[in-house]
Parts: sequence; C-alpha cells; structure tokens
Amino acid sequence: GAVVSQHPSWVICKSGTSVKIECRSLDFQATTMFWYRQFPKQSLMLMATSNEGSKATYEQGVEKDKFLINHASLTLSTLTVTSAHPEDSSFYICSVELAGGTDTQYFGPGTRLTVL
Amino acid sequence: AQRVTQPEKLLSVFKGAPVELKCNYSYSGSPELFWYVQYSRQRLQLLLRHISRESIKGFTADLNKGETSFHLKKPFAQEEDSAMYYCAPDNNNDMRFGAGTRLTVKP
Repeated sequence: GAVVSQHPSWVICKSGTSVKIECRSLDFQATTMFWYRQFPKQSLMLMATSNEGSKATYEQGVEKDKFLINHASLTLSTLTVTSAHPEDSSFYICSVELAGGTDTQYFGPGTRLTVL
Repeated sequence: AQRVTQPEKLLSVFKGAPVELKCNYSYSGSPELFWYVQYSRQRLQLLLRHISRESIKGFTADLNKGETSFHLKKPFAQEEDSAMYYCAPDNNNDMRFGAGTRLTVKP
C-alpha cells in the first residue's frame, strides 16, 4: 500500500506561536489530501480537504485563517496552526487519496500537538 | 511497536450473507477501538466505537482482548454496505489506521 509520512510526529510549543505540520505521500502522487483532528476520547473529525494547486475546502466550524493549508505539490500538504492556543492541542492526522477516485485513503501516523 | 492489521484488502459477499471484516491490533495498554467507513464519493465517517457498544446499521464489533482483535460483523449484508472500512485503535489519543478493507456486496 501507499506510504504516508507526517512530520513532526509530536511537537510542544508555547501559546501564540505557529506550528507547521507536513504530510507527504512517499511513493505516489496524491491530488487530494485530508486533514483530521482528534481530541482525546473522541472520534476523528475532518477539518479540511486539500486539493493540489487549489484552495482547501474547510469543514463548517473550522477557521481557515487559523488552520492554513497549503498543497503545493502532488506529494506534500502542510497544515499550519497559527497563533496556537492550548485548546488547539490535539492529534492531527492526514490522509491521502490516490488519483483516480478509488476512495481508498492512506493515513499518516499522526502528529501530536501540545500547546503550553 | 503499535500496529493494526486488516488482513483482507478486498472482501466480496452476496446480499443477505453474513460478513466479517477482520482487525487485529498490537498495542500496549488498552486502546479504544473504532471502525470508520467511507462510502463511494463520501467522506470518512465513524461507524462505531467499542466503548459505546452500539450497533450501527446492523454492524457490531466485539473486542477480544485475548486475541487482540476487533472484528466487524453483520449477519445479513446489504448492497448499500459496499464501502471501504477502516479499523482504528486509539491508545491515549494516538490513533493508527489499518490499511482498509473494501467490502463489495453483490446482488
């Protein structure tokens, strides 16, 4: 199956700083990437759909100016949490979908963000 | 290392037949277990989670700690159950996804 990496795997930052999380598809080109977040003891929540070369589509209630998504190439999407606050502490997971609309998603290992 | 395995990439059954999608995990501690489903051209959605012990769309999943399995079952499959299914153990907010099983229910 496809391999998806995320970097960093965990990050601790001070309140007010910005944090960038990378999602890479290592062995195939992904036109579509998804960003999810998961709060403790809760299920995954879709934040946005990232399409290469175009603006991301954000889910209702997700602030696009807070969570900046850039999908500049077919193998890399980045999520930047701007001016992070403790309530942004969460587990962020990306997934990629193979070109051709197979509906198969490949998930990254996730990034744990802790904002102090 | 924490690992989740869905041994079947593809599973095909006839309508009305029982179906079981396998999931095995290798985790320290006691993870919470989820099944997610993605229907064609739709977004990923939660199907069920172990802790709630609910039956959703006729699906159930039993946690077997001895075998470290969390297989998803349905006694009578329907065509609308055709989808991708992902098993996802969550150990203290560290969730990992299986590779997924594509279920096809034939008429």
